[in-house]
Formats: sequence, structure tokens, C-alpha cells
Amino acid sequence: AQKVTQAQTEISVVEKEDVTLDCVYETRDTTYYLFWYKQPPSGELVFLIRRNSFDEQNEISGRYSWNFQKSTSSFNFTITASQVVDSAVYFCALTGTYKYIFGTGTRLKVLA
Amino acid sequence: SQTIHQWPATLVQPVGSPLSLECTVEGTSNPNLYWYRQAAGRGLQLLFYSVGIGQISSEVPQNLSASRPQDRQFILSSKKLLLSDSGFYLCAWTADRSTDTQYFGPGTRLTVL
Repeated sequence: AQKVTQAQTEISVVEKEDVTLDCVYETRDTTYYLFWYKQPPSGELVFLIRRNSFDEQNEISGRYSWNFQKSTSSFNFTITASQVVDSAVYFCALTGTYKYIFGTGTRLKVLA
Repeated sequence: SQTIHQWPATLVQPVGSPLSLECTVEGTSNPNLYWYRQAAGRGLQLLFYSVGIGQISSEVPQNLSASRPQDRQFILSSKKLLLSDSGFYLCAWTADRSTDTQYFGPGTRLTVL
């Protein structure tokens, strides 16, 4: 069965601290895609990144970076020098048949 | 570019009343469409998805239904709302393949009293 686990329910950090959000997945598919979404207080889910199972290169986009490790079935997300605007719920997702499998989300609170 | 619209943005309805939420996508054709519900402080629950006009798959048995009367229109309905139907309803679309990125609409916040 496919599954996405985000064990961290809520994380609080002080502004400018680095923070890593964990995502562990389970799938028997050999080809699959992983995603991260951000849900700010307004509610709309904002797409952050899509990564396919054959590309294990880490990716950096500004203060955001992602570490994909097939050996541990993990796709972790790091925010460097966090800011108050990063406060949101972050969801990790995995492709299934015609649908995504979402994790339960991690609420990140960045305190000024 | 593609955009996705949802309306209304917020809705307060009494128990037992009907419901109709609408989602439309612009700038693409033959999208896969999805309805999700998010209870307060919870994760996303997939309700329905559609791969084409008139093709609806239900993920969770409940008093909700979905329809896709046009290629880029997806409607979520109920004949009689329950208190447990309260939540944040999100519509999403992908291009033709299910592995493509899902893009979400702004959502509808429904409160059933």
C-alpha cells in the first residue's frame, strides 16, 4: 500500500533558524513522483516542488532545499534562515493511481 | 496560462439544506479534476476525481456527489447537508496524466449550522 508519513505535527522555530520538515513514503511502484505543498493561513495549497523517482539530486531554490533519498524512502524539506512568512502547513505527497497520497501535514510556526 | 476558480469563497448553510460548489479551470483541456475536503486542523481527504466528462470516481461514501457536465467544470453537490460536512473544500486539476502536478483552487470554506 502507498503511504506518506509526516511525523512532525507541529514545529516552532525562531526567525532565522533553519528547519527541516520530514517526509517518509512507502510505495511499490518503480516510477513515482513526490511533491511538497505549502498551505498558508489563506488556505490555498501552493505547489513547491515535484521530483521523480529517478532523480535523486538535491534541489535548492532560494532558501528552500530538498533532500531525496530512495535508500531511506525520504524526501525532506529544509528552510534556511526561516522567516515569519514561512509559517504555514506543509504537505508532502506521493503519486498513486489517478490520485495523490498526501501526508497529514506539518504546521510550521516561525516566531519573530 | 492556466487558472482555476472556485465559488463561493465562503458559505454558511443550515443542516438539511442543499449544496452546490463549482470549480472551473481555464487554459487547458481534458484535465483530471479533483475535490478534496479538509476538516479544521486536519489533512486532505480526497472525495472525488474525474478523468473526463461524465466520469466520476468516488473515494469516500457519503451524502455528497460530484458531476462534470463540461470538460473544465466540476461540481460538488449535496441534497441535505450534515454538520459533519463543514470544512474547507478544495478543487484541483492536473494535465492529462495523473503524475502531473496538481494545482489547487482558492477553496470554499463551508460551515454547516
